[in-house]
Amino acid sequence: GAGVSQTPSNKVTEKGKYVELRCDPISGHTALYWYRQSLGQGPEFLIYFQGTGAADDSGLPNDRFFAVRPEGSVSTLKIQRTERGDSAVYLCASSLLAGRSYNEQFFGPGTRLTVL
Amino acid sequence: DQQVKQNSPSLSVQEGRISILNCDYTNSMFDYFLWYKKYPAEGPTFLISISSIKDKNEDGRFTVFLNKSAKHLSLHIVPSQPGDSAVYFCAASAGGFKTIFGAGTRLFVKA
Repeated sequence: GAGVSQTPSNKVTEKGKYVELRCDPISGHTALYWYRQSLGQGPEFLIYFQGTGAADDSGLPNDRFFAVRPEGSVSTLKIQRTERGDSAVYLCASSLLAGRSYNEQFFGPGTRLTVL
Repeated sequence: DQQVKQNSPSLSVQEGRISILNCDYTNSMFDYFLWYKKYPAEGPTFLISISSIKDKNEDGRFTVFLNKSAKHLSLHIVPSQPGDSAVYFCAASAGGFKTIFGAGTRLFVKA
């Protein structure tokens, strides 16, 4: 079956521009996560959705970052007024459901964002 | 504040020998621990996990050991194979939501 897909695979933009990164989770997965991975680091949690609502957005670095999941499936991570420090690989993951017991997260290949 | 630490950036092992990857954590609220494997240009893939109520979990060539008193876990790969060469991330969660990852250890298995 299809895994988690992310588009675009690469995005180059200029400082100050707005970007949108898209994630298509595995069908039927209710939980969706966004992470950011900088060079030499592990994935850094940004936000987690349970269904349509953001259950935990404590990892978003500032108010330039925003994510939506309006229909409980596809999610878009939006970054306003991009800065060079936003350059990283943005990873999306989904899991069947989340609760008190852990559910394995399936990751997409990521979107490499480069801010010039 | 790094809650999950992998202090070895890289490890080199001969094919057929044991690989031991280590991970330390600071948050005593973590109740689930995982190892992910990552190849270049791909997202991480789940490898093995362990609940805090256990001290060992085994799956084929992979075994994870948890020492709660030391806040330490390790991944053993026996025997190591060249295809195991990848970056391995240790991760932890408290309550199944937010997952915290370590910086990763790059494993090289030499043929």
